[in-house]
Parts: sequence; structure tokens; C-alpha cells
Amino acid sequence: DQQVKQNSPSLSVQEGRISILNCDYTNSMFDYFLWYKKYPAEGPTFLISISSIKDKNEDGRFTVFLNKSAKHLSLHIVPSQPGDSAVYFCAASSSTGANNLFFGTGTRLTVIP
Amino acid sequence: DVKVTQSSRYLVKRTGEKVFLECVQDMDHENMFWYRQDPGLGLRLIYFSYDVKMKEKGDIPEGYSVSREKKERFSLILESASTNQTSMYLCASRAWDRPNYGYTFGSGTRLTVV
Repeated sequence: DQQVKQNSPSLSVQEGRISILNCDYTNSMFDYFLWYKKYPAEGPTFLISISSIKDKNEDGRFTVFLNKSAKHLSLHIVPSQPGDSAVYFCAASSSTGANNLFFGTGTRLTVIP
Repeated sequence: DVKVTQSSRYLVKRTGEKVFLECVQDMDHENMFWYRQDPGLGLRLIYFSYDVKMKEKGDIPEGYSVSREKKERFSLILESASTNQTSMYLCASRAWDRPNYGYTFGSGTRLTVV
């Protein structure tokens, strides 16, 4: 049973525009959320995170929004750059459990120059 | 620079072979993990270890075993490789007291079983 879902397997965006990647989760015990970025033939690298006590966290061009009532989070990239082209994984964990990360299926972002 | 190192980037093995995938981290992390990544399925947890000589099954442990004899090394073993184990395997580690800092991943091993 997939507890973290990314329903869009791919997304294409023009360079300079906004990229919005979405993620939904089902487990109400999740209280920490992360986004990872993965290039081909490399391991995922941490991008940005958010605690459930916040609804927004910003780091440069990257902003993550959390809507707890909807069990939904999104990653906004503004402006998008060709180097942002990668697979993005959403992940979630619960501090009341083992704190292991549950990953989504990933969204492949292509930024078109 | 802290690292998680996976011994092989690419491996080709025959059906029925016993396969060892090695992972070493230099961050003195207690927790280590093995995932496999498949298109459309994301990252799925195979096994994890909270500390030396400890191991726990993840979501898809069938056909795999692990070994953690030393803190820095976590090995994934395919007892008898099958073609459905062709995948990208990713090792990760994490400090037990800093769970919200997430995982540090290795570069992955792409295993092909023929």
C-alpha cells in the first residue's frame, strides 16, 4: 500500500517558468516531509524539507508547501532551470514510529531551454 | 566530504548466482538502509539496520538477506539471483539522533540479472 503518492510521473516546463510538483500522503501520523532530487546514475540528494508544524518552507528557488488537512504537499521551483531536470521524490516520516522514510514513486521534471 | 560508497556502479550476474552488494559509510551513522528503485514504483525498502548486527525487514525482503558486522558496512545479499531482481539498488545511512536530516544515499548499483 503506497502511503506516499506522486500521481504525475512526468512534467515538462519552459525555462524561467514555475515548476510545481505534487505529492499526497495517506498516513496522518506523518509529521516530517522531504523532497529528494535524483539525476540518472546517481543517488538521490536531499533538496528541502518541512515539519508538520509549518505550512511553508523556502530555500532559494525552492519552496515546499504543506496542506495537512488535505494531506498534500507541493514543491515549487521558480524560476526553473535546465539543470533542474531530474526525478524528484517526495518522502515522509513519522516521529512516533521508526522514523523511516516512505518514498513516493517520483516525478520526472524536464525543463526545456 | 561525507560519503556513502557502493562498491560497484554496474553489475551483470547470471540467474542463480549469489550476489553481494557492498555499502560503506564514513559518517559513523548508526542506521543504514537498502532500497531498490524501479520505474513507476519509486524507492522500495528492502532491509534496514539500526546498528551493528541488527537488521529489520523492509517492504520487499523476499529473496534478499543482509549483513552488518561492522558499523560502517552494510551488505545486501541476493541468495539466488533472478531476473526480477534486475534493478537499481541504493544504499543510504542516517544518524539515529538526527532523523529529520534525512538520508545520505550512495550513487547506486545497477544490477542486471541475465
